[in-house]
Amino acid sequence: NAGVTQTPKFRILKIGQSMTLQCAQDMNHNYMYWYRQDPGMGLKLIYYSVGAGITDKGEVPNGYNVSRSTTEDFPLRLELAAPSQTSVYFCASSYWDISNENTEAFFGQGTRLTVV
Amino acid sequence: EDKVVQSPLSLVVHEGDTVTLNCSYEVTNFRSLLWYKQEKKAPTFLFMLTSSGIEKKSGRLSSILDKKELFSILNITATQTGDSAVYLCAAFDSWGKLQFGAGTQVVVTP
Repeated sequence: NAGVTQTPKFRILKIGQSMTLQCAQDMNHNYMYWYRQDPGMGLKLIYYSVGAGITDKGEVPNGYNVSRSTTEDFPLRLELAAPSQTSVYFCASSYWDISNENTEAFFGQGTRLTVV
Repeated sequence: EDKVVQSPLSLVVHEGDTVTLNCSYEVTNFRSLLWYKQEKKAPTFLFMLTSSGIEKKSGRLSSILDKKELFSILNITATQTGDSAVYLCAAFDSWGKLQFGAGTQVVVTP
């Protein structure tokens, strides 16, 4: 049972380059999220998705794009990388169990991105 | 705009002390409050609370939610050095958005 899988684990980008961070979950969760975490800070929500084909902006969406063509995958695209995007990125997925009002978010292992 | 605010941002305690961490929220269509522990890697789940006034416990950790006053507390009793971590709370709303606070850095000294 893989859970949430993020790739790559590490990446160095030059200013102005683009890249896609991959995220896949095998738990059939409706909800998926992308967060960034700067040193000594909490998790800031970049984008989230409530199902295939539906995405919405979080707290810090500028400079990023997402798509959700399947339930399993939620890639995050960085266009024109900037030093301010140097951070650790976490993907997560969750669910809402209406029968017992239960939820939990599961995280990938993170991607450490440096823009130089 | 939704907000999740944690306090304090950091604290240092001695082994054996009790720690109380606070999380207040202003979230439209609030559904539940989650607590996580993070030790230099991905956060790990501690508790999920939806009902006001019902305490959840796991060993030396416990948490309670007050939906009237819009806050939650995480208590750690008889702290150990292994409790040193960042503790994160997050508000989950009925649209599926999960928003985190800035976290509380806890350092437990021997």
